[in-house]
Amino acid sequence: AAGVIQSPRHLIKEKRETATLKCYPIPRHDTVYWYQQGPGQDPQFLISFYEKMQSDKGSIPDRFSAQQFSDYHSELNMSSLELGDSALYFCASSLAQGLAEAFFGQGTRLTVV
Amino acid sequence: RKEVEQDPGPFNVPEGATVAFNCTYSNSASQSFFWYRQDCRKEPKLLMSVYSSGNEDGRFTAQLNRASQYISLLIRDSKLSDSATYLCVVMVRNSGAGSYQLTFGKGTKLSVIP
Repeated sequence: AAGVIQSPRHLIKEKRETATLKCYPIPRHDTVYWYQQGPGQDPQFLISFYEKMQSDKGSIPDRFSAQQFSDYHSELNMSSLELGDSALYFCASSLAQGLAEAFFGQGTRLTVV
Repeated sequence: RKEVEQDPGPFNVPEGATVAFNCTYSNSASQSFFWYRQDCRKEPKLLMSVYSSGNEDGRFTAQLNRASQYISLLIRDSKLSDSATYLCVVMVRNSGAGSYQLTFGKGTKLSVIP
């Protein structure tokens, strides 16, 4: 069965650079969530989209932005990267937000040096 | 206070043991409840949804008590492969925005030892 696809799997960037993370949800899923997980931490909610519209916003820095496109894939854009942005970034998708389980992609490991 | 609280662990149990994890949530508007397991440096994987009537999947049993805002996970006959971090996850409806948000507990680490 198709799962959530994230790319790239690994990314190394320098401070103050920009990064774009991509997420392809499970086909027919209409909701996408983005999470950031630092070492030894639980996943922290960043932002979510339902039917291509932003539905909720969590602890996402102003330097980050995201959108969901017409094909339901989503991109997380990160600018002016800081060392503290180094983390695992997970995307999850679900069908009919709030009513069904969310499935996670394998994540993008971002390292800022 | 964190919205979803879990036993911090770690739990170190021998193979074959029964282990129980507890989780409490603070938001009474919580809609759905799940247990995920996460292996080191991997993505959270859905273990099971949790229903008021309780549900069982093989060696795993989950219970929900809405009145006490309490969720549990019981693992019987622990296997080495059960070693992981178990995350209690609650779906909360943001009444203002009409949207939903998954909120995670900090996770409980389980180590099953031979």
